[in-house]
Amino acid sequence: DTEVTQTPKHLVMGMTNKKSLKCEQHMGHRAMYWYKQKAKKPPELMFVYSYEKLSINESVPSRFSPECPNSSLLNLHLHALQPEDSALYLCASEYEQYFGPGTRLTVT
Amino acid sequence: GQNIDQPTEMTATEGAIVQINCTYQTSGFNGLFWYQQHAGEAPTFLSYNVLDGLEEKGRFSSFLSRSKGYSYLLLKELQMKDSASYLCAAMDSNYQLIWGAGTKLIIKP
Repeated sequence: DTEVTQTPKHLVMGMTNKKSLKCEQHMGHRAMYWYKQKAKKPPELMFVYSYEKLSINESVPSRFSPECPNSSLLNLHLHALQPEDSALYLCASEYEQYFGPGTRLTVT
Repeated sequence: GQNIDQPTEMTATEGAIVQINCTYQTSGFNGLFWYQQHAGEAPTFLSYNVLDGLEEKGRFSSFLSRSKGYSYLLLKELQMKDSASYLCAAMDSNYQLIWGAGTKLIIKP
């Protein structure tokens, strides 16, 4: 298994909703990343987990809450988002050599 | 400061060769990455260079000069499906990627 999977592929949520994004990899990689990407811009790093511990938080607002339940799984919990948070959310592993397909998030 | 520069847009003809340049300035250096990204999709890893020289992978090659802070991605025998954005990213001393803004490559028949 040489891929990173992400669910859901698309998500539409209101500003009062709570939802979660999920990322999974079974390659034994110990570093996993969350990125946010707006159209025509490069990815922006949000969080890095190394050996299941949060090692980097790039001053991300608290309405985004990451979680790493085990070495294969990474979640991003979303609450009270704003329309400007609409973007492609990408998960990656192992020095960003492996990106998941992303979740297209729209906040209404 | 840390900075990555690459051209905003390039146009090339199907079957031809194109070279996309990237210059970088980072605090420390742990390698240079190239990614391909089609519109609406995730980036796909193309290459990683940490030593000077040319790495070839099929139709794609990547070159690095550490002393000049310079890299290029060479695409040969261009196909229409190569129309995409190409992202250059340098890994700094903290093993974080510093991303360029991307080069949009347009392939014409």
